[in-house]
Amino acid sequence: DGGITQSPKYLFRKEGQNVTLSCEQNLNHDAMYWYRQDPGQGLRLIYYSQIVNDFQKGDIAEGYSVSREKKESFPLTVTSAQKNPTAFYLCASSPLSPLRQEALPQHFGDGTRLSIL
Amino acid sequence: SQQGEEDPQALSIQEGENATMNCSYKTSINNLQWYRQNSGRGLVHLILIRSNEREKHSGRLRVTLDTSKKSSSLLITASRAADTASYFCATIKDDKIIFGKGTRLHILP
Repeated sequence: DGGITQSPKYLFRKEGQNVTLSCEQNLNHDAMYWYRQDPGQGLRLIYYSQIVNDFQKGDIAEGYSVSREKKESFPLTVTSAQKNPTAFYLCASSPLSPLRQEALPQHFGDGTRLSIL
Repeated sequence: SQQGEEDPQALSIQEGENATMNCSYKTSINNLQWYRQNSGRGLVHLILIRSNEREKHSGRLRVTLDTSKKSSSLLITASRAADTASYFCATIKDDKIIFGKGTRLHILP
């Protein structure tokens, strides 16, 4: 059945290393999102994409990069420039609303927990 | 500053009691959403209420929206152990969906 798959579930990063988090959806959604969640906190938007080959920075894009080569896939790379990468990363997708300033419900994956070695 | 802020930050109630949590926001909205997050999992969408609606029900959930006060409340009736989770409200600001910091709900046996 349809959903979002994030992998891996746990990831460890060494100093100076780039790591890539995978996010795949089979919901045929146009929009995809990456969020960072720190303990006891809400979600902060890293990047989002509304169409293939296009994406926009969210509130905390520094030290991260994304690509959207296929509608189903929106991988996130945590670069060595991100000095405090330890967090829970959530990927989500949603249909696009025809109305401006209207958000449609997002479907979330089960997250990737990233830690520093 | 947060667009949506939930209150209280944490709530513990006995199983079978009702749980109420609130969300306040700052700018005009077209709709407001509530999500649940179980520990270590992704968020699950619960309910969406539009700006022209005042109340909406879904099973044991009741959501109200007061656009004049820029606030919403989520009521869970007859709580169960499985309702233990964090609950987030979400609204739109500058074309991006913004989540609050959440209310952590703990149902005591």
